[in-house]
Amino acid sequence: GEDVEQSLFLSVREGDSSVINCTYTDSSSTYLYWYKQEPGAGLQLLTYIFSNMDMKQDQRLTVLLNKKDKHLSLRIADTQTGDSAIYFCAEILPMDTGRRALTFGSGTRLQVQP
Amino acid sequence: DTAVSQTPKYLVTQMGNDKSIKCEQNLGHDTMYWYKQDSKKFLKIMFSYNNKELIINETVPNRFSPKSPDKAHLNLHINSLELGDSAVYFCASSQAGRGVGKLFFGSGTQLSVL
Repeated sequence: GEDVEQSLFLSVREGDSSVINCTYTDSSSTYLYWYKQEPGAGLQLLTYIFSNMDMKQDQRLTVLLNKKDKHLSLRIADTQTGDSAIYFCAEILPMDTGRRALTFGSGTRLQVQP
Repeated sequence: DTAVSQTPKYLVTQMGNDKSIKCEQNLGHDTMYWYKQDSKKFLKIMFSYNNKELIINETVPNRFSPKSPDKAHLNLHINSLELGDSAVYFCASSQAGRGVGKLFFGSGTQLSVL
């Protein structure tokens, strides 16, 4: 089946903006999510967007949604070294049993150079 | 107080052994999950329980047996461990319904099968 796709790696300099992209699979997804995973830790929810929105801003984070192209992006303004982590986009998809569960993209490793 | 706690954090064992990972959440959530993260950081759902009832079982070998004694606990028992079981296993919890996209993760159990 189709996968939630992300580029694997992004390197930016401290203070620059980072843009992490994701292509999701289900055009009927109601919510789309961004999670962050720091080394040695579990994932934590960063932000999410409702499908009737094009954009959502939350402090340094901006989420853009293009439903026509099933494209989701996360922009981090003024990227800091503490933003170095793996970022996962996610959507809720039906499983084999018909129940729905959060399905993650392959993750984008963001490296911030001082 | 840790919201979702799982033990142990590291588990090193020989092929063929049986091992268990425990998970507890104090968030009052109805739904708990086990996810497996492989060496490429790809995350895949294994099981989901809602109020002690198994609702998702994603083509996981029957050597893996989850057990939920109450809605705050979801343990994972693995029989006859194989090399390919080496991964990081994450427990997570969420509210049911609209909350299923907002997962709270434990810090993971890194399983190494030698």
